[in-house]
Amino acid sequence: QKEVEQNSGPLSVPEGAIASLNCTYSDRGSQSFFWYRQYSGKSPELIMSIYSNGDKEDGRFTAQLNKASQYVSLLIRDSQPSDSATYLCGKYSSASKIIFGSGTRLSIRP
Amino acid sequence: EAGVAQSPRYKIIEKRQSVAFWCNPISGHATLYWYQQILGQGPKLLIQFQNNGVVDDSQLPKDRFSAERLKGVDSTLKIQPAKLEDSAVYLCASSDRDTAALHFGNGTRLTVT
Repeated sequence: QKEVEQNSGPLSVPEGAIASLNCTYSDRGSQSFFWYRQYSGKSPELIMSIYSNGDKEDGRFTAQLNKASQYVSLLIRDSQPSDSATYLCGKYSSASKIIFGSGTRLSIRP
Repeated sequence: EAGVAQSPRYKIIEKRQSVAFWCNPISGHATLYWYQQILGQGPKLLIQFQNNGVVDDSQLPKDRFSAERLKGVDSTLKIQPAKLEDSAVYLCASSDRDTAALHFGNGTRLTVT
């Protein structure tokens, strides 16, 4: 089992709808989780970090963490064409290094 | 705050040649990472430095890759000799403490022909 697993997509969502991106992980000891957005040909940029169970909201983005079920998700409300990108889920492993999933490609259709 | 600086942005070399990448992290960031990102995949950690000491290099192909971080600031990553499968984007990132988010540089796109 990979440490961080994501559906590669592409996930196609109509403009204005909610996009839901999911990530599961192994290692129950993981404490810190991150969502990065990566446009084609660009480097990853941080969208959200989450450390505690529950929801964390920042503008149109909401990160959700459930440590018991070992999953973390990202919701994007009112999706815009500019949200079309690959979304990387990352976590700190017990060895204090950040491991990334393979990313989910999101496409927002007008 | 200046971001993570990397150079060069692009490099094309033939297999068996050598290449070096340079990274300057955000000022004051003690932890520096080198990731390899192959097209269509997530970033894969090659090596992690804490100041000028190596924290993790378990996935660094040490027969051909080497990295150093002199004086705990700048870092260089070298590949010698390069193979076709080394074609990727090499990302440098830094963070100011354990469990903190990473800040990435623009990356170096390497093509090995």
